[in-house]
Amino acid sequence: QKEVEQDPGPLSVPEGAIVSLNCTYSNSAFQYFMWYRQYSRKGPELLMYTYSSGNKEDGRFTAQVDKSSKYISLFIRDSQPSDSATYLCAVPTGRRALTFGSGTRLQVQP
Amino acid sequence: GAGVSQTPSNKVTEKGKYVELRCDPISGHTALYWYRQSLGQGPEFLIYFQGTGAADDSGLPNDRFFAVRPEGSVSTLKIQRTERGDSAVYLCASSRTRNTEAFFGQGTRLTVV
Repeated sequence: QKEVEQDPGPLSVPEGAIVSLNCTYSNSAFQYFMWYRQYSRKGPELLMYTYSSGNKEDGRFTAQVDKSSKYISLFIRDSQPSDSATYLCAVPTGRRALTFGSGTRLQVQP
Repeated sequence: GAGVSQTPSNKVTEKGKYVELRCDPISGHTALYWYRQSLGQGPEFLIYFQGTGAADDSGLPNDRFFAVRPEGSVSTLKIQRTERGDSAVYLCASSRTRNTEAFFGQGTRLTVV
């Protein structure tokens, strides 16, 4: 079983929609959970991170962790065409290196 | 520089050749990471440097892959006897310390023909 699993999509939504992106993880010891955004032909950039369970909000983005089900989510409100990118969930494993999900490609149609 | 710089941005090489990929981290960042990203996949960890030493090289797929960071700044990823399966985007990231946010470069797209 992979440490982090993510639905690859692609996901296509109209502008203004609420987007839900999800990952599952296997190790209940994981404490930090991260979401990266990667535009085409660019490196990933950190969008948000959360520690342990609960929600964290930053503008139109909300990250949610449910440790009981080992499920992490990223919600995007009022999605914009500029949100079109690949979204990667990640957890720190080993010596602070990151293990990434496979990424979900999001397309927001104007 | 302002961000992590990787050169070249694209590299096409023939099967069996040797390649070197360079990473210039953000100035002052002591931690440096190499990842490999295949098409449609997330980045996969290769090696982590803390200063000049490789603190974790458990992600290197085999002994054809080697990386150095001799002065604790610039790092070079070296691939010997390249194979078509080595084709991927090689990403470098750096962070101020090992427990802080890592910033990624734009990657080197390696194509082995």
